[in-house]
Amino acid sequence: DGGITQSPKYLFRKEGQNVTLSCEQNLNHDAMYWYRQDPGQGLRLIYYSQIVNDFQKGDIAEGYSVSREKKESFPLTVTSAQKNPTAFYLCASSIVSAGLVYEQYFGPGTRLTVT
Amino acid sequence: AQSVAQPEDQVNVAEGNPLTVKCTYSVSGNPYLFWYVQYPNRGLQFLLKYITGDNLVKGSYGFEAEFNKSQTSFHLKKPSALVSDSALYFCAVRGGSARQLTFGSGTQLTVLP
Repeated sequence: DGGITQSPKYLFRKEGQNVTLSCEQNLNHDAMYWYRQDPGQGLRLIYYSQIVNDFQKGDIAEGYSVSREKKESFPLTVTSAQKNPTAFYLCASSIVSAGLVYEQYFGPGTRLTVT
Repeated sequence: AQSVAQPEDQVNVAEGNPLTVKCTYSVSGNPYLFWYVQYPNRGLQFLLKYITGDNLVKGSYGFEAEFNKSQTSFHLKKPSALVSDSALYFCAVRGGSARQLTFGSGTQLTVLP
């Protein structure tokens, strides 16, 4: 899992509540990513950021929000607007060279359960 | 647009036998290809990558992958499987100047003792 930490490992919330997932990296990587993993569906990109104070929507951004105030940190907020938030959430980071990204390194993940 | 397909949801192989996990891709421009492994309730671990050069790429834990441009494939291989290789394997691709990777749906590898 390298130098990427995600906390907490397990998170339980009631429906209608917003929840923020933490992701911190000490790899000095420029780019950071949030993915959602559901059984049988692989990884789906939620948001990504290549520089501080800038981020882009991925394939399934609705109901999520992010911030990138520091290079090391990329927190994800799952809002009450997300219809089916129960999932395994993975954070990743990568170097950016000449504007291109290469292999991503992943954190251990946070399993969110909303009831 | 870029895409990657892992045609097999499940691969079973006997311990000691060679294993292959298949991956095909579609990109605009040159492909950059990656393999990852995931153990239960863990993050993905990077295994190997193809950027340019030799078509046979060697990676961690004895795994290797063969890039085939004409067949747009990047199959993961290992000469002799171990029970501990049992895990979920993901192929990923980035094409040309794309700013993100696209992941396949994963292949569950089970190595039988």
